[in-house]
Amino acid sequence: AQSVTQPDIHITVSEGASLELRCNYSYGATPYLFWYVQSPGQGLQLLLKYFSGDTLVQGIKGFEAEFKRSQSSFNLRKPSVHWSDAAEYFCAVGANQAGTALIFGKGTTLSVSS
Amino acid sequence: DGGITQSPKYLFRKEGQNVTLSCEQNLNHDAMYWYRQDPGQGLRLIYYSQIVNDFQKGDIAEGYSVSREKKESFPLTVTSAQKNPTAFYLCASGRRTPLPEAFFGQGTRLTVV
Repeated sequence: AQSVTQPDIHITVSEGASLELRCNYSYGATPYLFWYVQSPGQGLQLLLKYFSGDTLVQGIKGFEAEFKRSQSSFNLRKPSVHWSDAAEYFCAVGANQAGTALIFGKGTTLSVSS
Repeated sequence: DGGITQSPKYLFRKEGQNVTLSCEQNLNHDAMYWYRQDPGQGLRLIYYSQIVNDFQKGDIAEGYSVSREKKESFPLTVTSAQKNPTAFYLCASGRRTPLPEAFFGQGTRLTVV
């Protein structure tokens, strides 16, 4: 079955500390991978995406993610977290195939402490 | 400005009433999607459409209906058959090629009392 797992429901990080949010996927086709961020009561904003090539991808707001095919993972990282990064983060997987839509994980809520 | 517009942002309805959520996009995207978001559940796919006059059920289509008469519009009707309609509804649009990425509207919070 196709699925996305975000093992951490809630993470708290001190401001200025590094961050890693985990994402594992199960997908039969060649996966296209995405990270989105959502502020409370808002829509989702695309942070970054991976479909081929360099397995380390850079996104907006200083985020990066690394695709590891052997581990079926696409973890999101940031070297130094800012208070404004507090939000909910969603990992998603999709395919370039007719009749498909993105499949989302259940999300990880990030809190930033001062 | 190009984007996806969902309206209204907040919607209140009495139990047993049908209600229609609006979603319009001016990004010239072929594909449009409706997701439902509940706390701790992530986004679950209700319906999606990849071309005008065609749409497919997602994982939780029961109690919902859609239409796709125009490329720009993909309204979602929450019917009285939906047992637990109170939720945050997100509409998205996207291209399938070269990447199947989705761009989201700001959402509609539906409360049924």
